Formats: sequence, C-alpha cells, structure tokens
Amino acid sequence: KQEVTQIPAALSVPEGENLVLNCSFTDSAIYNLQWFRQDPGKGLTSLLLIQSSQREQTSGRLNASLDKSSGRSTLYIAASQPGDSATYLCAVTLSGSARQLTFGSGTQLTVLP
Amino acid sequence: GAVVSQHPSRVICKSGTSVKIECRSLDFQATTMFWYRQFPKQSLMLMATSNEGSKATYEQGVEKDKFLINHASLTLSTLTVTSAHPEDSSFYICSAWGSEKLFFGSGTQLSVL
Repeated sequence: KQEVTQIPAALSVPEGENLVLNCSFTDSAIYNLQWFRQDPGKGLTSLLLIQSSQREQTSGRLNASLDKSSGRSTLYIAASQPGDSATYLCAVTLSGSARQLTFGSGTQLTVLP
Repeated sequence: GAVVSQHPSRVICKSGTSVKIECRSLDFQATTMFWYRQFPKQSLMLMATSNEGSKATYEQGVEKDKFLINHASLTLSTLTVTSAHPEDSSFYICSAWGSEKLFFGSGTQLSVL
C-alpha cells in the first residue's frame, strides 16, 4: 500500500526566505506526483504536476523535483510571501490505479510579514 | 481551464437526516470522479471512485449504504450521506480529471448536530 509522508508538518518562516518542503512515498511505481495548495476550509489548487518520466517542474517562484528511485519529491518556494501561507499537500498517482491519488498529511506553512 | 463546481459549500443538519452533495464538471466531461473526506488537520482520504453509468467503487471501511453515490451523467456526480450522525461531520471534496490534471471542487463542510 502506498504511503506518502510530508516533513515538516508545520513551518513558520519570515517573509522573503527561501524554503523547501519534503515529500516521500513508499512505492516508486507512480504515474505522476502533484503538489497542491489548500487554504483553510477550501478545496485544493494544483500547483505543479510532475510526470514519472520528469525530474522537475517550475512555475513562477515554485520548483518541484522528483526522484522516483528514492521515492522523494521537494517543493522549493523562493522569496516567500505572506500570501503563500497555506497547507501544501503532495499526492502520488500509482500506475494502473485508475488515477486515484494518495495524499500526504500536508505541511502547514506560515509566512510572517 | 477545467473547473469543478461543488455545492453546497456548507451544510448544517440534524442527526438522522440525509444530505446530498453535488459535484459538476463545468466545461469537460468526467467519466470518473473521486470523493474524498478530510477531518480537521488531517489529509484527504479517498472514499470512493464514481463511474458514470455504473456502480461506484468504495474504499475499504467506507459504508456504501451510508454514502450513496450516483454518477448519472458525464458532468454530474452526487454523494448522499444518509441518516447522518455527528461522526459524519467532515469536509467532503470531489475531484475529476480534465486535461491530464486533477481538478477539485471547493469542498463541502458538513456539520451534523
């Protein structure tokens, strides 16, 4: 059974800092990995999607990497802003699993002004 | 881009009543939709996979007679929580694949008194 772990569970940083969120998964037979943002009481917004054949994806100040063999992904946020405060979830889709997602427990990020 | 609309966003009901939650794909057809549940400070847990025109597939531990899923068209899936009890209070979110990305509804906060 696929298990997804995110470290740290919570993170508080001053505005402007660069930061890294970590995600690990136990089964490397994945179809893709996604990073999502969730604001309190809201749905999820997809930030980046990395296919299993890719190593990284970038969007603005966000960069996500994927090392499938070691079962790890990182989300790098550059020059953090208070508006980045949210819970960040990573999720993997197993190959041949009807494209169901298995989510990590999330990292709650607070960027202090 | 693809949008998934979920209604209602919040519902409060008395114990023993039934609640219906709707999930619509607005500009694409979704043969498969997913229903997740999220308890406070926890990650999303897949409840069931909703397939258009056929029976839903439920995850282990999810009561199919309690959580009725109907996927009658390519753009609409509904989740009915029957005879709701306080322990069913949770945040319910639907999702559907569109353009190789997974889009989420905005979620429904269910509170059972």
